[in-house]
Amino acid sequence: EAQVTQNPRYLITVTGKKLTVTCSQNMNHEYMSWYRQDPGLGLRQIYYSMNVEVTDKGDVPEGYKVSRKEKRNFPLILESPSPNQTSLYFCATAPTYTYEQYFGPGTRLTVT
Amino acid sequence: GQQVMQIPQYQHVQEGEDFTTYCNSSTTLSNIQWYKQRPGGHPVFLIQLVKSGEVKKQKRLTFQFGEAKKNSSLHITATQTTDVGTYFCAGLRYGNKLVFGAGTILRVKS
Repeated sequence: EAQVTQNPRYLITVTGKKLTVTCSQNMNHEYMSWYRQDPGLGLRQIYYSMNVEVTDKGDVPEGYKVSRKEKRNFPLILESPSPNQTSLYFCATAPTYTYEQYFGPGTRLTVT
Repeated sequence: GQQVMQIPQYQHVQEGEDFTTYCNSSTTLSNIQWYKQRPGGHPVFLIQLVKSGEVKKQKRLTFQFGEAKKNSSLHITATQTTDVGTYFCAGLRYGNKLVFGAGTILRVKS
């Protein structure tokens, strides 16, 4: 079954404690992306990757890092989380001939 | 800021009424995509429009892409309670950057 998985699904943490949200896909898609969703603001892109070792900033990259060492994985790293990073995070993958996004189930992050 | 504007932000309709959401981009788009997110769920791809003036239908849903490839609309005829959720447009800009609108939340009263 084609799927995008994210872990953890829920996370409550404290300011400054480094965390990683994992994203994995089994669809062999080149393109992967991270979004955050906040009420009234829709989905805003944090980072995206066109292929292994190729990453680029989206619209709201500050405070986040990513890496793409393997095609199937695209982890999102918060080196020093702050309360304004409390949000719902979605990973998505897409084939580069359509960019039709397949979303993971989401990770709800709360930073206190 | 948001470079794809979507209106309305919220709409509450009686079951059986029609619903329309509109998207407008400040720049010409390569294509436009539409997604639906059910409450508590993740966005799910509905359709993609590529050609200028294109119109596509999926049962009660009609999607249009403007002649200038800067605007789009999604129209639902005779809404049902299963239509509730948030509808997002997403514009693919030349250079392969996808930008989402803020979404329209649809509530349907039965």
